[in-house]
Amino acid sequence: DIQMTQSPSSMSVSLGDTVTITCRASQDVGIYVNWFQQKPGKSPRRMIYRATNLADGVPSRFSGSRSGSDYSLTISSLESEDVADYHCLQYDEYPTFGAGTKLELK
Amino acid sequence: EVQLVESGGVLVQPGRSMKLSCAASGFTFSSFPMAWVRQAPTKGLEWVATISTSGGSTYYRDSVKGRFTISRDNAKSTLYLQMDSLRSEDTATYYCLNYGGRWWGQGVMVTVSS
Repeated sequence: DIQMTQSPSSMSVSLGDTVTITCRASQDVGIYVNWFQQKPGKSPRRMIYRATNLADGVPSRFSGSRSGSDYSLTISSLESEDVADYHCLQYDEYPTFGAGTKLELK
Repeated sequence: EVQLVESGGVLVQPGRSMKLSCAASGFTFSSFPMAWVRQAPTKGLEWVATISTSGGSTYYRDSVKGRFTISRDNAKSTLYLQMDSLRSEDTATYYCLNYGGRWWGQGVMVTVSS
């Protein structure tokens, strides 16, 4: 199975920060990586698809990038509504999620 | 508006069976591969099963192979997950979604406990 190693597992952040979360794929998954935001008690929401594409209705402060087998989600100028859990997903073949990143306010 | 509405979650004893349903609307259900994902309390997301548009191809994570069956009825725009021989470690919120996760249901809680 393809492993998605997500880091960090948690992060203490301040409003206005630039935040970067990374997933490293254990095998080539090409562009087939999505990022999801999840708030407590809610379903995940797709934020980025195919590694770099902003999903519908997602603020432009969110962006996705790829460098080799490393995939990153960056939030520029963090707002309070961005405090949530974030998950990466590879769906090249047999889909697997990263372990998740919890953002908490300092 | 796209909607995925799960139903069927409840408390069940270990070893028993349960069937989840997911009613889809607002998109051409038959054109999309579909999937189930679960999330145990305070844990991360876990991919459970995938089904092709026709239903002819399926995929399961190892821990549910032989116990869970994903199926679909395109005429009814409904996705199913038959869960047999349930274990305590299957306790989770189960989400219905399209492959890739553009759309998600609200989730249904399944608790396996004696």
